[in-house]
Amino acid sequence: EAGVTQFPSHSVIEKGQTVTLRCDPISGHDNLYWYRRVMGKEIKFLLHFVKESKQDESGMPNNRFLAERTGGTYSTLKVQPAELEDSGVYFCASSPRATVDTQYFGPGTRLTVL
Amino acid sequence: DAKTTQPNSMESNEEEPVHLPCNHSTISGTDYIHWYRQLPSQGPEYVIHGLTSNVNNRMASLAIAEDRKSSTLILHRATLRDAAVYYCILSPLDSNYQLIWGAGTKLIIKP
Repeated sequence: EAGVTQFPSHSVIEKGQTVTLRCDPISGHDNLYWYRRVMGKEIKFLLHFVKESKQDESGMPNNRFLAERTGGTYSTLKVQPAELEDSGVYFCASSPRATVDTQYFGPGTRLTVL
Repeated sequence: DAKTTQPNSMESNEEEPVHLPCNHSTISGTDYIHWYRQLPSQGPEYVIHGLTSNVNNRMASLAIAEDRKSSTLILHRATLRDAAVYYCILSPLDSNYQLIWGAGTKLIIKP
């Protein structure tokens, strides 16, 4: 069974540019989560999808971040425009149910904003 | 916000047991306790979770204090492949089991 995949693995962009991160969850997992760790800080929750609906987006830092999950399969996280403080590692995870189920994480996308 | 406190790092010898402590004095009655680990250059990986009772699985054991204000992750026989950052995480019912991460403990295994 394929695990959670994320693309790209690393992205380097200039401040003010736009970047789109992609996450492909494990097939059949309705729940998809985005997290990030910025430099020197703890991993923080960003948002949670159940199928194509946003269940909880309380962790999204501001309106420069837009997450979508059209059709309830893969998800994208767009940052527009990117700022220096957005640099960090963005993780995606998926789980079959929105309870205390194990979350399966992807390898992460390292975003560097110059 | 629910919060956990862990030592920054610990060292252990290969093939010996490892006890990783975590304090969560502000835990509420419906918060689950999770442990995930992150190996170098990988995403986090589930280890174990529990609510009140001690838990065992093929990877580890989780010992939860009676007052639930602390817990200990036990690796019964550490190998070099267990070198990772271990995160103690609370998952509150009232935030739909959102994972609230601590800073983690970097476990170093000496051969």
